[in-house]
Amino acid sequence: IAGITQAPTSQILAAGRRMTLRCTQDMRHNAMYWYRQDLGLGLRLIHYSNTAGTTGKGEVPDGYSVSRANTDDFPLTLASAVPSQTSVYFCASSDKDTDTQYFGPGTRLTVL
Amino acid sequence: GQQVMQIPQYQHVQEGEDFTTYCNSSTTLSNIQWYKQRPGGHPVFLIQLVKSGEVKKQKRLTFQFGEAKKNSSLHITATQTTDVGTYFCAGLDSNYQLIWGAGTKLIIKP
Repeated sequence: IAGITQAPTSQILAAGRRMTLRCTQDMRHNAMYWYRQDLGLGLRLIHYSNTAGTTGKGEVPDGYSVSRANTDDFPLTLASAVPSQTSVYFCASSDKDTDTQYFGPGTRLTVL
Repeated sequence: GQQVMQIPQYQHVQEGEDFTTYCNSSTTLSNIQWYKQRPGGHPVFLIQLVKSGEVKKQKRLTFQFGEAKKNSSLHITATQTTDVGTYFCAGLDSNYQLIWGAGTKLIIKP
């Protein structure tokens, strides 16, 4: 792995189903983030983690949960998907010394 | 809450024309970062400005950070088709959280 990866690349999901989006980084960055990006809009922060074992809520956390069991992985779970969660989801990580964020390729999620 | 306003939302230019996007924050920022997102891609870091009044250049791109550290601009001279995409500013606030602008989409007229 080089950088930050996300899986799946895309997913079509029935409303009410549970879904976990995966994110893994190999840069040993302390902080990780989940954003959603809707058509024509900017990035909105869902949840973040400043270090392994801690998480925090962003701007739009409702309907989502995260965990940070170790430095490398930061999964995002939709407990019961709704159509308004149709979006492109980006995971990012940053080094505390620079605050620069490195993004994964994104997961395109459609909830029907 | 703290906001970073970015304008314009879109800018259509002829190839070879200049492009500018502006960001304004309601509070003083520790630093400001600029990212570019190509169509269908993910945001990619371009540059970070830290000092009051700082100006940095990357080839045809010029980045400025205001004296009060509340505003910033990105100027592209003589746009090329490779410049197409959405440019985001993001300011680091006093809580060390990155506050994102909504982005400016650069569109090259055919």
